[in-house]
Amino acid sequence: GESVGLHLPTLSVQEGDNSIINCAYSNSASDYFIWYKQESGKGPQFIIDIRSNMDKRQGQRVTVLLNKTVKHLSLQIAATQPGDSAVYFCAESTGNQFYFGTGTSLTVIP
Amino acid sequence: GAVVSQHPSRVICKSGTSVKIECRSLDFQATTMFWYRQFPKQSLMLMATSNEGSKATYEQGVEKDKFLINHASLTLSTLTVTSAHPEDSSFYICSASLQGEKLFFGSGTQLSVL
Repeated sequence: GESVGLHLPTLSVQEGDNSIINCAYSNSASDYFIWYKQESGKGPQFIIDIRSNMDKRQGQRVTVLLNKTVKHLSLQIAATQPGDSAVYFCAESTGNQFYFGTGTSLTVIP
Repeated sequence: GAVVSQHPSRVICKSGTSVKIECRSLDFQATTMFWYRQFPKQSLMLMATSNEGSKATYEQGVEKDKFLINHASLTLSTLTVTSAHPEDSSFYICSASLQGEKLFFGSGTQLSVL
């Protein structure tokens, strides 16, 4: 698997606004994608997933969009709340191997 | 959803001692488990892939004699940090794959070596 130990980009949003977190993946053969949320000192928490035969999937307050043409994945969080402050990262999979993006640190400003 | 339990959540130990971290899939059988290391403000660094009943596959640069991995059953994998030193201090996280798809993570173990 591949994961990169780089310092995280950051995103700050006002409480109540929508957040969009982006992820570029590298392998055009990846057919399964997951978004995770990680709070400080905790393990990553599954948020939502999408398979490559879909372009969009919605959950509770979250939407994942997949653009296979440009190998881009995004996570949209509606009406962002302070509890959404965390690091978010995407994962791509071609089977039983998972590859992670560098992650984005989201800060919600009250 | 599926639950992965990781224990202990925090360890403080003296330099030279060995530390064992357990990772259990509580409600599913995980043929594959993964071990990661994470430094503050950084992403996950995959250390090794653990398959039940076989030797773990280590990522380049990870010392297999330093980080011993045992995956004795479909629900348990252990990571032992042998002769720990201060530079081994880190946040260690395990994950387990459900049917080769969804990947669920443990809560992590913060290791501090004095």
